[in-house]
Amino acid sequence: QVQLQESGPGLVKPSQTLSLTCTVSGGSISSGSYYWSWIRQPAGKGLEWIGRIYTSGSTNYNPSLKSRVTISVDTSKNQFSLKLSSVTAADTAVYYCASEIAARPIRWGQGTLVTVSS
Amino acid sequence: DIQMTQSPSSLSASVGDRVTITCRASQSISSYLNWYQQKPGKAPKLLIYAASSLQSGVPSRFSGSGSGTDFTLTISSLQPEDFATYYCQQSYSTPSITFGQGTRLEIK
Repeated sequence: QVQLQESGPGLVKPSQTLSLTCTVSGGSISSGSYYWSWIRQPAGKGLEWIGRIYTSGSTNYNPSLKSRVTISVDTSKNQFSLKLSSVTAADTAVYYCASEIAARPIRWGQGTLVTVSS
Repeated sequence: DIQMTQSPSSLSASVGDRVTITCRASQSISSYLNWYQQKPGKAPKLLIYAASSLQSGVPSRFSGSGSGTDFTLTISSLQPEDFATYYCQQSYSTPSITFGQGTRLEIK
């Protein structure tokens, strides 16, 4: 079964760009069965959907983050990535990647904590 | 945007209790409602999709009901491993999806 694993820096400076990668194993990211999404959760708070990508490259983003978010896919590496620009302390959170079917996240990565601090 | 409001925000119960958590949408979402369980330090896990369909591998003590704006998640007999935080999520107003604020289920 498909498994997901996030990776990337755990500390990012304010105003810089947060970059994370999700590696998919146990199946091909190009299978066409899933969309691939990013979701985040500040400590002690709820879940916020960031956006998704299909293997064709088509994307959807949360309107509240759209101006700062880019999600891309690298089918040759079975990976997809998140870039969030101009980060502030409010972007400190655990970031999850997930596979989606019918706009519901089905399988999640374990999550990675990203702290925005100088 | 469709807002999802869960009640209560926290709940104390005992092993063996029947527990119900409510989720209300700010407008009708038909049956496009999913429920997740999250344990501390872990990713959420899908329990119920399309308001009442049990995800594969999820124990049958979990059930969901509702349509339109009002939904419930019921645990028929609480087990020790069920103490966690539960989130509802609407998948109606795509492309965006939104989650409720969560209900923390604690041991009494």
